[in-house]
Amino acid sequence: KAGVTQTPRYLIKTRGQQVTLSCSPISGHRSVSWYQQTPGQGLQFLFEYFSETQRNKGNFPGRFSGRQFSNSRSEMNVSTLELGDSALYLCASSSLTSPNEQFFGPGTRLTVL
Amino acid sequence: KNEVEQSPQNLTAQEGEFITINCSYSVGISALHWLQQHPGGGIVSLFMLSSGKKKHGRLIATINIQEKHSSLHITASHPRDSAVYICAAYSGGGADGLTFGKGTHLIIQP
Repeated sequence: KAGVTQTPRYLIKTRGQQVTLSCSPISGHRSVSWYQQTPGQGLQFLFEYFSETQRNKGNFPGRFSGRQFSNSRSEMNVSTLELGDSALYLCASSSLTSPNEQFFGPGTRLTVL
Repeated sequence: KNEVEQSPQNLTAQEGEFITINCSYSVGISALHWLQQHPGGGIVSLFMLSSGKKKHGRLIATINIQEKHSSLHITASHPRDSAVYICAAYSGGGADGLTFGKGTHLIIQP
């Protein structure tokens, strides 16, 4: 089985722009979660999608949003980028039977200038 | 909300040394994960445990539910073990039930 894939792997944007990141889960996994990783805060939960519905949301401003498509692929969007949004964004997929066993993608490294 | 603390934050050791990384959490959990992250970002799951001890090759993970503490041990460490090791405590529910430690940056020198 192919693993979780994320595109793009690297992205450079400037303040005020918006960005869309994409994640394709492991085949058969219907749950996709997104995390932000920064040196100071570590891994922080952004949101989780299951069957095209947002199931849980972390403590992030409304500038961070996401969606999931019928094929379980997911996108996250960050609008009005700030310098502090520079981070590694990881998505992970899991199966219904083991929701805490997350399979991570390689991440998208976002740099905001 | 669960608080997960890892120690040490940074660890540099010589090849062959026995390594221990510790993880403590504040609230009862149903499972604890140990994750490995190499430079470049990708995270892989090493162990998921809810009691006792698990072993995989040179890696051993233990958990003490009463003391709310887990350890990851690496025997006969090797430079390829250099990575960030992250523990994550799972309290139930969906992915929001996972609370991550800030990671231990391990460097094994030849």
